[in-house]
Amino acid sequence: DAKTTQPNSMESNEEEPVHLPCNHSTISGTDYIHWYRQLPSQGPEYVIHGLTSNVNNRMASLAIAEDRKSSTLILHRATLRDAAVYYCILSGAGGTSYGKLTFGQGTILTVHP
Amino acid sequence: AAGVIQSPRHLIKEKRETATLKCYPIPRHDTVYWYQQGPGQDPQFLISFYEKMQSDKGSIPDRFSAQQFSDYHSELNMSSLELGDSALYFCASTLGPTGTDTQYFGPGTRLTVL
Repeated sequence: DAKTTQPNSMESNEEEPVHLPCNHSTISGTDYIHWYRQLPSQGPEYVIHGLTSNVNNRMASLAIAEDRKSSTLILHRATLRDAAVYYCILSGAGGTSYGKLTFGQGTILTVHP
Repeated sequence: AAGVIQSPRHLIKEKRETATLKCYPIPRHDTVYWYQQGPGQDPQFLISFYEKMQSDKGSIPDRFSAQQFSDYHSELNMSSLELGDSALYFCASTLGPTGTDTQYFGPGTRLTVL
């Protein structure tokens, strides 16, 4: 499975934007970039995913580098409820991954009031 | 909207006992994934099913088995439980195992082995 690298932790203040980076230099052409987050004692929650183009939804934006070797999850206005572990995961449309998610070390986001 | 249902939410067992965890996917979802999350660890993939057939297998001990039934719900059977099996067990469902679709996770079953 292609590997991702994320910072261990990041901090933000409430109401400010947050940019969470992810490096995935070995990404294959068919890999989608997924972001999930996990609040304490809860199951992981889908945030956003994309292939090549930048993506926006009601939760966040995903900016994908032109060479696809890195991406950035953008939370436009952090709230206390956004404090969670954020995982950047590659999952392929081809190959033999069959859709499983390989969780690596995510980024612990702390949001200060 | 209906979500993934897992039961029981909490389970306490003794060493060497057996446990059965159940997962009810979102209606019309045909693919189920099981993940294990030990204390302070990240979720790890165990096994998945698509259309009632095993589609992929991860680091699942031989003491564990699972299946998906005709109504698409899935059960994870765990035998000869060990202290190290204490963990949160999540299942997730999706429509098709393509890797391009969102996985919807259940709230998890917290298994404690004493």
